Amino acid sequence: NAGVTQTPKFQVLKTGQSMTLQCAQDMNHEYMSWYRQDPGMGLRLIHYSVGAGITDQGEVPNGYNVSRSTTEDFPLRLLSAAPSQTSVYFCASSRTANTEAFFGQGTRLTVV
Amino acid sequence: QQQVKQSPQSLIVQKGGISIINCAYENTAFDYFPWYQQFPGKGPALLIAIRPDVSEKKEGRFTISFNKSAKQFSLHIMDSQPGDSATYFCAASMIKGNTPLVFGKGTRLSVIA
Repeated sequence: NAGVTQTPKFQVLKTGQSMTLQCAQDMNHEYMSWYRQDPGMGLRLIHYSVGAGITDQGEVPNGYNVSRSTTEDFPLRLLSAAPSQTSVYFCASSRTANTEAFFGQGTRLTVV
Repeated sequence: QQQVKQSPQSLIVQKGGISIINCAYENTAFDYFPWYQQFPGKGPALLIAIRPDVSEKKEGRFTISFNKSAKQFSLHIMDSQPGDSATYFCAASMIKGNTPLVFGKGTRLSVIA
């Protein structure tokens, strides 16, 4: 019973590098989202998806891309990493936006 | 524009005491108000949620109080225990339109013996 799986757990990037944070869920949830968590800032929505093939921007989308080709997977791509993207990233899934959201364990990203 | 304002930022409570965390929202169309609990190194997990057709919801030691006219809702933790030490987030969204959750900035609760 995996729930929401995020990989990697930790990552260090150099400024300008690109990478993809992986998120997979096995609960057949339609709704998935990515948040970043910074001290004192709470959880800020980056991108979300209401189903396969449909994505939309959240509060802080700049510098990030997403796609949703399957119900299970919702990867987050950093196009050209910047120190301001140093953060803890959480992926979440739920049946709808207004039902219980299940979060992954997070990815701690450091950009140097 | 902060749609959900949470206070206090941090809270220290004696074991056995009552912990109270408050949230205020601006959008009157919000109609789903969950609270999430997060332990260090873990993702948030749903603690309790309320919809505006009721003024209070209780689950064990945790109670949400909702005041629609004041656009406020709060989390009360009765008989607080050291194991309740965590960060708590309130959130809000609109059921119609399937809009994403908007989170408060969080409250770090420490329960001391």
